[in-house]
Amino acid sequence: AAGVIQSPRHLIKEKRETATLKCYPIPRHDTVYWYQQGPGQDPQFLISFYEKMQSDKGSIPDRFSAQQFSDYHSELNMSSLELGDSALYFCASSDGQGAGELFFGEGSRLTVL
Amino acid sequence: GIQVEQSPPDLILQEGANSTLRCNFSDSVNNLQWFHQNPWGQLINLFYIPSGTKQNGRLSATTVATERYSLLYISSSQTTDSGVYFCAVDNYGQNFVFGPGTRLSVLP
Repeated sequence: AAGVIQSPRHLIKEKRETATLKCYPIPRHDTVYWYQQGPGQDPQFLISFYEKMQSDKGSIPDRFSAQQFSDYHSELNMSSLELGDSALYFCASSDGQGAGELFFGEGSRLTVL
Repeated sequence: GIQVEQSPPDLILQEGANSTLRCNFSDSVNNLQWFHQNPWGQLINLFYIPSGTKQNGRLSATTVATERYSLLYISSSQTTDSGVYFCAVDNYGQNFVFGPGTRLSVLP
């Protein structure tokens, strides 16, 4: 069965650079979530989209933005990167908001030097 | 917002032993999932269990929604069970809140 696809899997950037992460949800899933997981931490919710509209916002820095496109894939854009942005970034998708089972991608590991 | 606690924070087992992991949450939920994060960082779905009991091989889970807790049972543990076990809940909001996790190490 198709799973959530994230790219790139690994990314190395310098401070103050920009990075873009992509997420392709499971086919027919209409809700996408982004989470950030620092070393030794639990995943923290950043932002979610339902039917291409932002549905909820968590602890996402103002330097980050995201959107969901007409084909339901989503992109997380991160600018003015800081050392503290180094983390594992997960995308998840579900069928419907808050009621459907959540499925995660394998994550994108961002390292900021 | 909803608070999620997990216990124990760390657990070391000998291969073949059984264990019980607990997840407490501070408010009613309409969704609860258990995940296993393996040493490579992947989050693997174990159970989607807002209420009731489910079993899958050596693993089973029970959620008592009225008492705001869920239990994950691991029987005959194997070294491949090592990793972090997360409980995540959604209390009718738009996102899922994770607990701090239980770090399990199964020794050969």
